[in-house]
Parts: sequence; C-alpha cells; structure tokens
Amino acid sequence: DTEVTQTPKHLVMGMTNKKSLKCEQHMGHRAMYWYKQKAKKPPELMFVYSYEKLSINESVPSRFSPECPNSSLLNLHLHALQPEDSALYLCASSQAITQETQYFGPGTRLLVL
Amino acid sequence: AQTVTQSQPEMSVQEAETVTLSCTYDTSESDYYLFWYKQPPSRQMILVIRQEAYKQQNATENRFSVNFQKAAKSFSLKISDSQLGDAAMYFCAYRETGNKLVFGAGTILRVKS
Repeated sequence: DTEVTQTPKHLVMGMTNKKSLKCEQHMGHRAMYWYKQKAKKPPELMFVYSYEKLSINESVPSRFSPECPNSSLLNLHLHALQPEDSALYLCASSQAITQETQYFGPGTRLLVL
Repeated sequence: AQTVTQSQPEMSVQEAETVTLSCTYDTSESDYYLFWYKQPPSRQMILVIRQEAYKQQNATENRFSVNFQKAAKSFSLKISDSQLGDAAMYFCAYRETGNKLVFGAGTILRVKS
C-alpha cells in the first residue's frame, strides 16, 4: 500500500482566517514533505520532516507553520495568508530521508480570498 | 544547484503509438536518482519510473522505459502502446541531498483516439 491521504480536498479561506491542512500515511515512512504547486508549474519543496523533526525549511514565510505530531501525521497550519498563496498543496512521504522514492498524496486545493 | 530541463512543453501521440519525452539535467554528482512522475487532471503525482545512476541498465516498468545516458546527462521516457489514460503532465525529477526533488517544468502529453 503506497497511500498518502490529505484532507481537505478543497479549502477556501479569507486572509484573516486560521486553517490547517492534514496529511496522513500508514506505510511506516519516517520522512514527510510539503510541496506547493501553482497551476501548470512543477511542485516546489516547502518543508521536510525526518523522524518527526524539521529537517529542511525552504525559506517559507512564517504564515505557514508545519507540525509533525507523530510519524504518521503531518499538518500545515495556515494563518494570515495572501491571495498569492492560492495553490495546490501536496504532501509526500518516503521510508526515510535517505530513501529516494517519495509517494504523493492527492493534494489540497487552497483558495485565499 | 542541480537543474532539470524538459524542452517539450507539449507532446501529442496517437493511441497505440509510441512517444518519447525528453529530459536533461545538470549535476556534478556521480551517484544520484532520477524519476518520472505523472500528474493527471486528478492532480495526484504518480511515480512512473525511477533510475539509479550507478546502474547501467535502463529501467523499465511495463509500457514505460527510460533511455538513460549518464555521460550526456539525458533521461528520456518512452511510452509504448499509448493509452488514453496516459494523458497527463509528466515531470522529470532529480533527487538532491536531503531527498529534495528538483523537478523539470513538465511536459503535457495528449493522447488522440
């Protein structure tokens, strides 16, 4: 089973709202990733977690706050977003940070009004 | 930083025919991994095939195969017996240290019936 799930599928939020995206995997993977993808563009890495600790932060604005409460779950907390943050947010996981194959979830389509 | 180039923004193929998508990359590393991911309109990034640079043999997965030319830093994807379900955006990706994926700009593949 190579399933990564993400909720919600769609999210509309105002610039003053606080919301969270959730990603879950039950493959025993110990590395998890957040990507941002604009329309017709490739995904861009935001964060990498390895064994529940933040390993890479690609200079992402503080209005995006990741959290990894356990090895199966990855959250992305959103606060005071801008309209340009509207995008598809993809989660991925791999067995470990040294294991090359990343498996992606279906994404959350975010619209910031 | 490594770069990945996909020079074909769009490609078309007739159903049951063969199509080749091109990808070149730039790296000073000798050992690395390369991937092709498919992203249909449903948005989910699906792993198509992967290649380990130290392996001489080209990877194959059913109708999908690669032509890996390490010296030329070329990694093309061949799709044989194209099917309507192959229509998607295809991304070539290079794995950097820390398991960061660097993606090409993508190629939209259209399959004609």
